[in-house]
Amino acid sequence: EVLMTQSPLSLPVILGQPASISCRSTQDLVFTDGGTYLSWFHQRPGQSPRRLIYEVSKRDSGVPDRFSGSGSGADFTLQISRVEVEDVGVYYCMQGTHWPYTFGPGTTVDIK
Amino acid sequence: EVQLVESGGGLVQPGGSLRLSCVASGFSFTNYWMTWARQAPGKGLECVADIKDDGSRTYYVDSVKGRFTISRDNAKNSLYLQMNSLRVEDTAIYYCGRDGRIDWWGQGTLVTVSS
Repeated sequence: EVLMTQSPLSLPVILGQPASISCRSTQDLVFTDGGTYLSWFHQRPGQSPRRLIYEVSKRDSGVPDRFSGSGSGADFTLQISRVEVEDVGVYYCMQGTHWPYTFGPGTTVDIK
Repeated sequence: EVQLVESGGGLVQPGGSLRLSCVASGFSFTNYWMTWARQAPGKGLECVADIKDDGSRTYYVDSVKGRFTISRDNAKNSLYLQMNSLRVEDTAIYYCGRDGRIDWWGQGTLVTVSS
């Protein structure tokens, strides 16, 4: 099973300032079709997760462009260019290359 | 608009069974793999089972193999999870997800396994 780690696990942020979350996997996430299936999800308290980013850097429909993803192989990053109040919650990375698909432990973002 | 509506959760004793259902709308259900994922109270996320668009292939996480069965009825736009031999550690919110890589999540249904 591919293990996913995230850092930091807790991220206090200042409104309007940038934020960055790191995600690492224990195996390379390049699939046989050449795609790299690393996604980022955001979950607010009491809500279902929402996917923000897929295949490392592609934004889902309706996701603000202040969110961006980058990385390759086994090392990935989610960046928020300017944090807004609605960005608080838990962020998870997920690998969809090797079954069982696995999630990172989550990074809790709150306002400092 | 894509909608996934789960039902069937509840309180069950260890060793008991439950069948979860998910009704999909707003997209062509027959074109998508579907997933069941779960989240234990206050914990992280776990993919439990996947099923191919035509139902011909299924995948399970090791912890549920032999106990859970994922299935679908494309004529009814419905996804199912039959859960047998339930354990306390199966207690979680169970989410229905579109696509193996879950681009859309339902609101979840809570399963509590306790005596």
